[in-house]
Amino acid sequence: EVQLEESGGGLVQPGQSLRLSCVASGFTFSTYEMNWVRQAPGKGLEWVSKISSSASSTNYADSVKGRFTISRDNAKNSLYLEMSSLRAEDTAVYYCARRTIFCSGFSCYGDAFSIWGQGTMVTVSS
Amino acid sequence: DIQMTQSPSSLPASVGDRVSFTCRASQNINGSLNWYQQRPGKAPRLLIYGASSLQGGVPSRFSGTGSGTDFILTISSLQPEDFATYYCQQSHSNPRTFGQGTKVEVK
Repeated sequence: EVQLEESGGGLVQPGQSLRLSCVASGFTFSTYEMNWVRQAPGKGLEWVSKISSSASSTNYADSVKGRFTISRDNAKNSLYLEMSSLRAEDTAVYYCARRTIFCSGFSCYGDAFSIWGQGTMVTVSS
Repeated sequence: DIQMTQSPSSLPASVGDRVSFTCRASQNINGSLNWYQQRPGKAPRLLIYGASSLQGGVPSRFSGTGSGTDFILTISSLQPEDFATYYCQQSHSNPRTFGQGTKVEVK
């Protein structure tokens, strides 16, 4: 079964750091771009960060740039999000998500977050 | 960044109803539009990609149409498990952005 499982969330004070992990199973992790998407309590979905399959490329939302670092260990089928200088507005459920590119023959016609973990809650509060 | 706007924010409906709701992009995204369903306390689930292609395992009562800037998700006959929040998301350019959601609730 294709699965993603996040861990590492918790309650931290403003300014502190936290590391989230996401373990993949049931698919060839090393061939997929991976993403982090978050959802503040009662709010919508916000893309946070992505990392290419080989880890050669990373991107961040402006809201977390310079504070968060995404990484992966393909040997361990694992994705990470190192969060520092945490703020109250970072309080959210953090999901890891696999990006799938949909192709038919030689034509590719879209991509989407096809697999999601169950999420891990991060609360930043004093 | 491309802004995604969904309407309505809330849609009261009954089991068996045919319901539709819209998603509008702030610029032309061709057919690069995905729809997700999120039940309370659960992770989002991909329903439709490429504006109209049904993800595997998704019931055929779900359908999507649209291109350019305007898109519609339709549920042909609402089932009890369909009461949830639905999000659109553009995959045309980075950063990927989501709409604010349409909550389908019991009338």
